Amino acid sequence: DAGVIQSPRHEVTEMGQEVTLRCKPISGHNSLFWYRQTMMRGLELLIYFNNNVPIDDSGMPEDRFSAKMPNASFSTLKIQPSEPRDSAVYFCASRENTGELFFGEGSRLTVL
Amino acid sequence: DQQVKQNSPSLSVQEGRISILNCDYTNSMFDYFLWYKKYPAEGPTFLISISSIKDKNEDGRFTVFLNKSAKHLSLHIVPSQPGDSAVYFCAASPANQAGTALIFGKGTTLSVSS
Repeated sequence: DAGVIQSPRHEVTEMGQEVTLRCKPISGHNSLFWYRQTMMRGLELLIYFNNNVPIDDSGMPEDRFSAKMPNASFSTLKIQPSEPRDSAVYFCASRENTGELFFGEGSRLTVL
Repeated sequence: DQQVKQNSPSLSVQEGRISILNCDYTNSMFDYFLWYKKYPAEGPTFLISISSIKDKNEDGRFTVFLNKSAKHLSLHIVPSQPGDSAVYFCAASPANQAGTALIFGKGTTLSVSS
């Protein structure tokens, strides 16, 4: 199994630019999660989906952040416009109905 | 504000000794608890879990203890090995079921010296 696949692995952009992070969950998993890791806040839940439907987006920091899951095999996290304080590692994770989450390798975002 | 707290940012242990990582939570609805390990430039990987109906779960060198009345759990690693050096995250969930998410602590960096 390929595991959770995230792209890009690294992204460097300038303030004000749009950033799109992508995630392909493990086939057969019906829940998908976006987390952000920073030194200050650790692993912070941003949003999660169950059967492609957003369940809780209360962790999304601002309206500049949006996430979609158009089908069971793809999700995007978009930041528009990006700001330096958005610099972090963004993780996507998926799971079947219960049990542990399986994480991707993360997308490291640097906003200059 | 943080529902899952790992108050020790770091821990240093000698090889062969016991490592004890601690975690506290505030939400009494949490019913399912997990530990994850993370190496640099990799995603977190699942280590061990425990549900609230148990107070201990063991898997090889790793044991998780749960004290529900104190809202406290701990991870014991015996014996510690240099390869255990990583960031350890504690996570909790209201239930082990669909439609719920894991809430993570800030992590504890474990360093095991040989």
